[in-house]
Order: sequence, then C-alpha cells, then structure tokens
Amino acid sequence: AQKVTQAQTEISVVEKEDVTLDCVYETRDTTYYLFWYKQPPSGELVFLIRRNSFDEQNEISGRYSWNFQKSTSSFNFTITASQVVDSAVYFCALKGFKTIFGAGTRLFVKA
Amino acid sequence: GAVVSQHPSWVICKSGTSVKIECRSLDFQATTMFWYRQFPKQSLMLMATSNEGSKATYEQGVEKDKFLINHASLTLSTLTVTSAHPEDSSFYICSARETQGVLSNQPQHFGDGTRLSIL
Repeated sequence: AQKVTQAQTEISVVEKEDVTLDCVYETRDTTYYLFWYKQPPSGELVFLIRRNSFDEQNEISGRYSWNFQKSTSSFNFTITASQVVDSAVYFCALKGFKTIFGAGTRLFVKA
Repeated sequence: GAVVSQHPSWVICKSGTSVKIECRSLDFQATTMFWYRQFPKQSLMLMATSNEGSKATYEQGVEKDKFLINHASLTLSTLTVTSAHPEDSSFYICSARETQGVLSNQPQHFGDGTRLSIL
C-alpha cells in the first residue's frame, strides 16, 4: 500500500523564521518519485520539486531546501527566512504504482 | 514563462449533462498533460496522465468512461465529465509538461483550475 502523511495540518510562523514541513511516505515500490507542490490562496498549483528514489542528494533552491531520507521514508521541505508570500498550502506527493498526495500543510507566515 | 490556460474557470450545470474542460499550453508544446481533482477538504488526486497522440493512462479507481480525456495536439487536452452528477462537483486542475515520461526534468505548469458544480 502507498501512503503519504503530512502530519502538520497548519503551521504559523513569523516572517524570517525558518520552517520545516514534514512528509513521510510508505511504499513497496523500489522505484518511485516524490514531489512537493505549493497552492497559494489564489488556488493555482505550483510545482516545486521532483525527486526519484535513487537520488538521495539534498536539494537547495534559493530559500527552499529538501531533505530526502530513504532510511526514515521522509522527504521534508524547509523554507529558510520565510516570507509572507510563502503562505500557502503545501502538498507532498508520491508516485509509485499510483500517484497519491498528502493532505497538505497550510503555512501561515505573519509579517 | 510557460503558461497553461484552463477554460472554463467555473461552470454550473444540471445533473445529467456532459461538461468539457479545456487545457491549453500557450507558449510551449505539452507532450504530457495531467488532470487532477481537488476535493473540498483540500486533498488532491491525480486522475490521469496523457501523452499527445496516445490514450490517457488513468489512475486506479478513476472511471475512464466517466472522465474522457483527449490529448489530440501538443497544445490542447480536454477532460469531458460525461453525464455529470452532484458527486462530480469538484475543482479540476490540469497541468502540462514539455517532455514525455516521468524521467523528464521539465517542471509541470498548472492551469488555474475549473470549479465544477453540478446541481
């Protein structure tokens, strides 16, 4: 069975704080892909990253970074020096035999 | 940047009618397009993946005859909800990518979504 758990339903931080969004997954597939998407209040989805199961290198893109740990089945997302514009719902997703999404984490960044 | 246009943005129709949603890539050729459904409590579901010129690959549990997907050109994919019923009411989102297959390094670009309400 496949499962994606985003245990944090809502997170509230003050601007400039760092914040980590957790994503834990379950799959029996040996080859799979992990994704993060952002959905701002305006509603449109934004693709952030795709990572395959054979690439455990961490990724950094500006203020965003991702930590992929196969040993703990986690693919966590950190925003450094958060900004109000980061306020959104963030979804983690897993593509193995099937593509499934986590329930999302709503991030509020206060000025 | 790459733009995906989705139309209509909102549609209300009677139960039993069929509704077509269009997804166009405006400034790039979308070899692969995706259709998602978002339920009221925010969770997302990938419905199908389509590659231009071939049949869509539907995710498990998605009714192929209910949700018809056509990707006849490199800039247009359509989703038709046939004989729509109130339980089909949802937010449908399309996405397009320039190259084919899961190994593509190209990012996905999303449309603004279509809110479908069936009375």
